[in-house]
Amino acid sequence: GAVVSQHPSWVICKSGTSVKIECRSLDFQATTMFWYRQFPKQSLMLMATSNEGSKATYEQGVEKDKFLINHASLTLSTLTVTSAHPEDSSFYICSARTRRGETQYFGPGTRLLVL
Amino acid sequence: DAKTTQPTSMDCAEGRAANLPCNHSTISGNEYVYWYRQIHSQGPQYIIHGLKNNETNEMASLIITEDRKSSTLILPHATLRDTAVYYCIVRVGISNAGNMLTFGGGTRLMVKP
Repeated sequence: GAVVSQHPSWVICKSGTSVKIECRSLDFQATTMFWYRQFPKQSLMLMATSNEGSKATYEQGVEKDKFLINHASLTLSTLTVTSAHPEDSSFYICSARTRRGETQYFGPGTRLLVL
Repeated sequence: DAKTTQPTSMDCAEGRAANLPCNHSTISGNEYVYWYRQIHSQGPQYIIHGLKNNETNEMASLIITEDRKSSTLILPHATLRDTAVYYCIVRVGISNAGNMLTFGGGTRLMVKP
């Protein structure tokens, strides 16, 4: 299947700092990418949908000014957690949909710990 | 998108077939059935999807009932590495803008030696 990578795989930061997570589709072009968040023992929750070259669409309850998403090319989307706080500690997972739109592939996830 | 119902957990003996059921009684005619799994601390892995016909690939088989109200994912020879949470998701298929996968609770499959 198609490959989606994320970087970094884990990050520890101090409260108040910003963290950028990259998501790349390695062997296909993704016009649409998704960002999910997963807290311990819970299922994945969709945070936002981003289409290449346009603004992201955020799910209800997700602050767009806190979670900045940039989908600058067909193979790269970034999520920046601004002014991170301990409650932002979570497992962040990106996903990319093939151009045909039939299948979504997921990255390996980024574990964020805010101290 | 239609909701799905899956058992919370299941056990399976190593080497035996694992049959994971999913109910999706409110599925619409244009909605596909997708299966993903998530091994601990990893991103979800695509397994298989189908519309109405049974499907098979190198990982699993998907059996969809004739009325499409339920389906079964079959792992023919489960190994310890198949221990994971398995998600059954129904979703309108191709190229719908913003049409994302929505995850429920899934089934926690434990493969035992």
